[in-house]
Amino acid sequence: EAGVAQSPRYKIIEKRQSVAFWCNPISGHATLYWYQQILGQGPKLLIQFQNNGVVDDSQLPKDRFSAERLKGVDSTLKIQPAKLEDSAVYLCASSLERINNEQFFGPGTRLTVL
Amino acid sequence: AQKVTQAQTEISVVEKEDVTLDCVYETRDTTYYLFWYKQPPSGELVFLIRRNSFDEQNEISGRYSWNFQKSTSSFNFTITASQVVDSAVYFCALSNTGGFKTNFGAGTRLFVKA
Repeated sequence: EAGVAQSPRYKIIEKRQSVAFWCNPISGHATLYWYQQILGQGPKLLIQFQNNGVVDDSQLPKDRFSAERLKGVDSTLKIQPAKLEDSAVYLCASSLERINNEQFFGPGTRLTVL
Repeated sequence: AQKVTQAQTEISVVEKEDVTLDCVYETRDTTYYLFWYKQPPSGELVFLIRRNSFDEQNEISGRYSWNFQKSTSSFNFTITASQVVDSAVYFCALSNTGGFKTNFGAGTRLFVKA
């Protein structure tokens, strides 16, 4: 079974530029999560999708971050414009269902904002 | 509001020692789910265990065991006879009744020396 795929693995941009990350979850997984993990900290949930609908985006900085999951499969997270404090690893995870389910994580995208 | 506290930032042990990683949580929900994940140096988080709030039975899986105590809001993780391959960052996580709002602790970095 293929795992959660993410691309790119690394990205370096200047502040105020835009960047997009892509995630393809495990086939059949209804729930998709985007996390931000700053160095030395635990993952922080940014947004959670159930199929193609958003069920929680309370911690997403909506003035600069956006995410979509068209057709309920793969997803894109965008930052526009980026700030220095956005430097982090962006993790995508998926689970079969929303409730009481283990999350399978992708390898992450390491973003450096200069 | 939910919160997960992992007070131990780093632990260093010698191979074959037993080690316990502490996790204390806060939630107003009566039904919730607790998880442990491992993040090895490669970076990809790996699910270890989930527990729902109704099930206070301790669990053992090989060298791993978990002690869930609702009375003290703790969900501690013990590795028996630690091995070098156990070196990683371990995260405790909590999600609410509906499977929303997964909160991770800051993690405990475990070093196992040969």
